[in-house]
Amino acid sequence: AQSVTQLDSQVPVFEEAPVELRCNYSSSVSVYLFWYVQYPNQGLQLLLKYLSGSTLVKGINGFEAEFNKSQTSFHLRKPSVHISDTAEYFCAVDRGFQKLVFGTGTRLLVSP
Amino acid sequence: DVKVTQSSRYLVKRTGEKVFLECVQDMDHENMFWYRQDPGLGLRLIYFSYDVKMKEKGDIPEGYSVSREKKERFSLILESASTNQTSMYLCASRASLGPNTEAFFGQGTRLTVV
Repeated sequence: AQSVTQLDSQVPVFEEAPVELRCNYSSSVSVYLFWYVQYPNQGLQLLLKYLSGSTLVKGINGFEAEFNKSQTSFHLRKPSVHISDTAEYFCAVDRGFQKLVFGTGTRLLVSP
Repeated sequence: DVKVTQSSRYLVKRTGEKVFLECVQDMDHENMFWYRQDPGLGLRLIYFSYDVKMKEKGDIPEGYSVSREKKERFSLILESASTNQTSMYLCASRASLGPNTEAFFGQGTRLTVV
């Protein structure tokens, strides 16, 4: 069965520093991967997705992710974070039939 | 602007009560989902529906049921609420156009069962 693992429950970082949020997946079939963000007291919104093609995917708000098939990873990166990036980030894989399976989430805490 | 609307942001119910959580989407999506979000556990799928009157169990359906009488509305029902159902509940919808479609989420209902 398809699943995702987010190893870091919380990542503290200073403003303007780079950040990487890690996601590993397990799947024996074609993989469709997503990153969603949840700002405080809000629902989730899509940051970016990987379906096929280029392994470097660019999303909104300056985020990007790299699909690495050999390492079964889909890490999210941003070269310089802002206070407003403080949120919870979820990696997800499409299980088929439109069902998404989510990781346990990584809370990004950006401080001045 | 596309929208998934959950009827309540916060609910407090008593143990044993029957609880209805309502979700409406205005995007004419075929697929609708109910997730439960708990700290350290992420989002877990409770039920989903791929058409009117069609439903399938997700990963944690015990203690829940659903209803989809109209395409735009998907209700989650707690037949007899228990304290271990205290959680954040998120509704989502998604078009049936393949794996590249985005899931749209409501703002969530924080349910407390006392």
